[in-house]
Amino acid sequence: GNSVTQMEGPVTLSEEAFLTINCTYTATGYPSLFWYVQYPGEGLQLLLKATKADDKGSNKGFEATYRKETTSFHLEKGSVQVSDSAVYFCALSRGQNFVFGPGTRLSVLP
Amino acid sequence: KAGVTQTPRYLIKTRGQQVTLSCSPISGHRSVSWYQQTPGQGLQFLFEYFSETQRNKGNFPGRFSGRQFSNSRSEMNVSTLELGDSALYLCASSFLATEWGDSPLHFGNGTRLTVT
Repeated sequence: GNSVTQMEGPVTLSEEAFLTINCTYTATGYPSLFWYVQYPGEGLQLLLKATKADDKGSNKGFEATYRKETTSFHLEKGSVQVSDSAVYFCALSRGQNFVFGPGTRLSVLP
Repeated sequence: KAGVTQTPRYLIKTRGQQVTLSCSPISGHRSVSWYQQTPGQGLQFLFEYFSETQRNKGNFPGRFSGRQFSNSRSEMNVSTLELGDSALYLCASSFLATEWGDSPLHFGNGTRLTVT
């Protein structure tokens, strides 16, 4: 079946550090890929998405590229802020059937 | 445009009781999904409704049920509550998939259920 694997963390970084959260997937065909972010006490918010190979999703300084050859969708940000502290979820969808990774907790220290 | 609205935000129930949670999707979204989120199990899919019909169901006991109304609003019910049902219950709505790919889920802020 379809599955998503991501580093579980926690990841602790200093402000302005570079962020990478790895995500790899297993799926038949060509899934759509998503990153979601969850702040304390809230639901998941869509951060970015990509629907086909080599697409790059980007939002609020975050980027991720759909790599079909390595079945990956790694999340990156060049300079993190304290306000980026949250849990990040990688997800895939085929036919609107979503599969989520376990989430990666990010803490950014001032 | 209003987001996904879930009520109530917090609930405290005792074992053996039942509970009903409500979800109003984004206007125009006809698909509504429910998830259970716990620290140990992460996000687990409960069920998905489209046009008042359950299209998909996760691996949960029959104590968990749901329904969708003609205005796309949805409710989920948990009967005979157990301590292990304590969790954040998230509702999400979406459009259908398009020729350019699947549509993202839009989540509400959840209902925090505590069973004592």
